[in-house]
Parts: sequence; C-alpha cells; structure tokens
Amino acid sequence: KAGVTQTPRYLIKTRGQQVTLSCSPISGHRSVSWYQQTPGQGLQFLFEYFSETQRNKGNFPGRFSGRQFSNSRSEMNVSTLELGDSALYLCASSLGGGSNSPLHFGNGTRLTVT
Amino acid sequence: AQKITQTQPGMFVQEKEAVTLDCTYDTSDQSYGLFWYKQPSSGEMIFLIYQGSYDEQNATEGRYSLNFQKARKSANLVISASQLGDSAMYFCAMRGEYNFNKFYFGSGTKLNVKP
Repeated sequence: KAGVTQTPRYLIKTRGQQVTLSCSPISGHRSVSWYQQTPGQGLQFLFEYFSETQRNKGNFPGRFSGRQFSNSRSEMNVSTLELGDSALYLCASSLGGGSNSPLHFGNGTRLTVT
Repeated sequence: AQKITQTQPGMFVQEKEAVTLDCTYDTSDQSYGLFWYKQPSSGEMIFLIYQGSYDEQNATEGRYSLNFQKARKSANLVISASQLGDSAMYFCAMRGEYNFNKFYFGSGTKLNVKP
C-alpha cells in the first residue's frame, strides 16, 4: 500500500508570492491533516479535512487555507508569503479519527521563503 | 487544552542498551490517545506506538514499549536494545477526546545512539 505522498519535496519562493502544496493520502483514508514544523515553534496543527469538509482548524492566519477533493487528495495554499512561513509542511492521513487511529505522515514539503 | 512536555532535548545511549524518553501530558479529557513518533533526518514522521487512556496494559510494539502512568500523566517511551538506526528525533503526541485529528506534539527528544 502506497504511503502518504507530498509534492513537491522542496520549494523556494519570494516574499509576497503564494504557494500550493499537494498531498495524496493513503488509499482509503478520508482524513487529511496539515502541520507546520519549525525549529522555534515545533509541530503546529494547521487544519484537518474529512470528506471534503474542514473539521478542525489551528491558530494560523487566513493566509493559510486548504481544501480536499472527492478523492481525498488535499491541497494547502499559503498566500502573501512571509519569511516566517519557511518551514517543513507535513501532511498526514488517517482513517477517520477514532482515538486509536494514528496519523500517517508524508515526507513533507520544505518551503523556503527568501 | 492539551499540553505535551518532553524535558530531554537530547540524549545519548550506547548501542544495544535500553533508553527511556520522557513524556508528560496535561489534559482534562477523560478519553485520549497517546502516540510516539520517530523523525529521522529525512523528515518523515514514523508512527511507533499508541496507548489509550483506558488501556490497562502498557503498549508494546517490538523493541518499543510505552510506560503509561495515568495518575502521574506520564507516557514514557522505552526502546530496548538500541540500534544505530534509532538515532532520530522522537516526538510524544496526544489526541484529545473531541479533537478529531488535531494532535498536540511535544518539543521532541534528539536521540543519538553511540557504537
């Protein structure tokens, strides 16, 4: 069974630009979550989608948005990039959110904003 | 609100020895799940082990075991017979009762296994 696939692996963008990251979950997984990882703030939850609906949202500005398609694939968009958005963005999928259902992570997209 | 605390930024262990990585948590939820993840330098987060708040037995998965002490709100990871490939960052995480897939992560422990 294929794991969670994130594309691209690396991105370099300039301040003010926007970026779209893509995530394909494990087959059969309907929940997709996004996390931002930085050395200073650690792993922070961005949002979660389940059956195309945003089910939970973290404390990030509105410049961060996402969506999920009918095939459970998800995209995350960051507009008007700032230097502080440089981070590893991790996507995770799971079956649904039962208490014992772990998140399965992709390799991440490393975003550098210059 | 949920909070995970990992107080060991870095640890060293000799190959083939056992090591314990500490994790304490804070929650007012009655039902919750505790997870440990490994993150090698490549970046991918690898799920290791899960413990439910109502599980009476400590979870075990191969060389990994979770020392769950509910009254102390601790969920320490024990790695037996350390291998060089165990060198990585280790994160403790929690999912609360109503959080769906919003996990709370600790700051991590960098484990170095010495030959």
